[in-house]
Amino acid sequence: SQQGEEDPQALSIQEGENATMNCSYKTSINNLQWYRQNSGRGLVHLILIRSNEREKHSGRLRVTLDTSKKSSSLLITASRAADTASYFCATRQSGYSTLTFGKGTMLLVSP
Amino acid sequence: NAGVTQTPKFQVLKTGQSMTLQCAQDMNHEYMSWYRQDPGMGLRLIHYSVGAGITDQGEVPNGYNVSRSTTEDFPLRLLSAAPSQTSVYFCASSPEQGGNQPQHFGDGTRLSIL
Repeated sequence: SQQGEEDPQALSIQEGENATMNCSYKTSINNLQWYRQNSGRGLVHLILIRSNEREKHSGRLRVTLDTSKKSSSLLITASRAADTASYFCATRQSGYSTLTFGKGTMLLVSP
Repeated sequence: NAGVTQTPKFQVLKTGQSMTLQCAQDMNHEYMSWYRQDPGMGLRLIHYSVGAGITDQGEVPNGYNVSRSTTEDFPLRLLSAAPSQTSVYFCASSPEQGGNQPQHFGDGTRLSIL
């Protein structure tokens, strides 16, 4: 069953704007990961945040984790057309060794 | 460095046929896994392996077999293809236990069952 659920399902913005995607999950986790998928390609890992961390940065990406609300957000600052892709969150539930993926957010960045 | 290589990229089968989807990685990763991606469903785990000779079932294993005779290769076998198995299949690998490490994905095999 789906553990993580991304919101919104689709997001359309202009170049230069910020994009925020959210992920909610149901049970306690060890870590949460964000992936990007360009059309017709495999998933590419972006950031891993552990359950004892609250925020991580990587270039223009900022990920937050609120374990009390069972939610995470991915912020992409100063978006570019090349950021157009689907973004997925994946969680490692406590007591499990595998990742469970959400359904993804489709991001369209227009020039 | 090729990473994770999946073959073929596209395949059309008739109902009842069998085939093997190939996956190879050159990063000496212990953990490998197979997912299927369907519209509106995200990725669902089919089978995974924590090392050569060890495999286990994921969320949707029915109709699929796997084996892991070497660290590098993790083929997925469809025993008797059904239209419900029409999907995009992704292979992934990571240095160790799948949930603790970032996973490296291949570019997928797009499979249609007629």
